[in-house]
Amino acid sequence: DQQVKQNSPSLSVQEGRISILNCDYTNSMFDYFLWYKKYPAEGPTFLISISSIKDKNEDGRFTVFLNKSAKHLSLHIVPSQPGDSAVYFCAAQTRAGGTSYGKLTFGQGTILTVHP
Amino acid sequence: DTAVSQTPKYLVTQMGNDKSIKCEQNLGHDTMYWYKQDSKKFLKIMFSYNNKELIINETVPNRFSPKSPDKAHLNLHINSLELGDSAVYFCASSQVRLARDEQFFGPGTRLTVL
Repeated sequence: DQQVKQNSPSLSVQEGRISILNCDYTNSMFDYFLWYKKYPAEGPTFLISISSIKDKNEDGRFTVFLNKSAKHLSLHIVPSQPGDSAVYFCAAQTRAGGTSYGKLTFGQGTILTVHP
Repeated sequence: DTAVSQTPKYLVTQMGNDKSIKCEQNLGHDTMYWYKQDSKKFLKIMFSYNNKELIINETVPNRFSPKSPDKAHLNLHINSLELGDSAVYFCASSQVRLARDEQFFGPGTRLTVL
């Protein structure tokens, strides 16, 4: 039972354009969401996060949008750069009650390729 | 300075063997994790330790035994290796009580069981 899903295995975008990566979740107990970026032969690195009390969080070229009613979040990268080419993982966490001890539930990732 | 390091990076072994993967973090974090990335690329949590105490055990076979000698180390020992154990294993750490609670991952250990 996959509680976090990234239905697009890959995305190809031209340099300078917008990249939009999508993520859906089923567990309504999730209240914190994160995006991680992964290069080949490296571990995932944290990119940006959003709490369920917000619907948008922005950090430079990266913006995450959360639609709680649809149980959907998206990551926008504007403008996209060739160095953004990587696998992007969406992850979710339940923080309420403070007992999750950081457990992350990951999606299966989307391979982003940004062409020069 | 590597924040989260794992050894070895690659591990090739025969079915039935016992092997260990080591993890160390120099970030001063109080919580460490083991994740498994299978052939379908899903990253799934296996274990979590907080201050050397086991917090999360995600119904992993008892052939897998994590050991945390101190807060900075979390090792994974696997007995009687099976073909299905072939995967990439990632160690991670975080300071759970911080607002951001981002997890820092090691580079991964690719385990191949023949």
